[in-house]
Amino acid sequence: GNSVTQMEGPVTLSEEAFLTINCTYTATGYPSLFWYVQYPGEGLQLLLKATKADDKGSNKGFEATYRKETTSFHLEKGSVQVSDSAVYFCALSDVGDMRFGAGTRLTVKP
Amino acid sequence: NAGVTQTPKFQVLKTGQSMTLQCAQDMNHEYMSWYRQDPGMGLRLIHYSVGAGITDQGEVPNGYNVSRSTTEDFPLRLLSAAPSQTSVYFCASSYIRTGGGSPLHFGNGTRLTVT
Repeated sequence: GNSVTQMEGPVTLSEEAFLTINCTYTATGYPSLFWYVQYPGEGLQLLLKATKADDKGSNKGFEATYRKETTSFHLEKGSVQVSDSAVYFCALSDVGDMRFGAGTRLTVKP
Repeated sequence: NAGVTQTPKFQVLKTGQSMTLQCAQDMNHEYMSWYRQDPGMGLRLIHYSVGAGITDQGEVPNGYNVSRSTTEDFPLRLLSAAPSQTSVYFCASSYIRTGGGSPLHFGNGTRLTVT
C-alpha cells in the first residue's frame, strides 16, 4: 500500500539557517504529494503541493520538488525564521485517501 | 469564512462512557474524514465519507461510528471509550476524495483524554 516516510525529528536550527526535511514515499500509482504545517494548538494547513513528476511546489519561501526517480519530495527553505517553528507533515494521495508521514518538529532559535 | 469547525476543543471521559465529536464545514465539500493524531505516528484515518449517506472505514475504525446525514456535518461517535482512544482528533474535508491533488482542510482538533 501507499506510505510516506519522513526524517525523524526534532530538528533545531538557528535563525537564517538552511532547512531540509527529507520525505520519501511508496505508491503503486501516480500520487500527488503535499507538505502540511501544524502550528501549536491548530490543525494542519496546506503548505505546498505537487501533482506530477518534476513539479516544484513553493510557498512562503519553502520549496519541494516531486522526484519520481528517487520517490522523494524533500522540503527546503533557504533561511528559516523563528515563526517557522512548527510540525511539518509530508503526505500523499492517489486514487484513495491521504496518507501522512509521522511529522517532523522544527524549532528555530533566535 | 468558518471552514471546518470542531467541537469540543477538549474532553475528558471515563472508561466506558460514550460521546460524540462534532464536525461541520461550510465549503460545500463532498469528502469529509476523521483522523487521530498520536505522537510518532502521524495522522491515521478513522472513517471517511464521499457524500451524504455514504461512509466507509479507514485505517483504524474500531471503537468509532460515523454518519453523514447532510453535506455539512460529519459527527464521530465513541461508543465505549477506552484509554487507547486518548488522542487528538481532527476532522478534515475536501472538494473531492483526495486523489488528483485536492488538499484537505482541517479543523483545529479535539483533544480527548480517557481515564
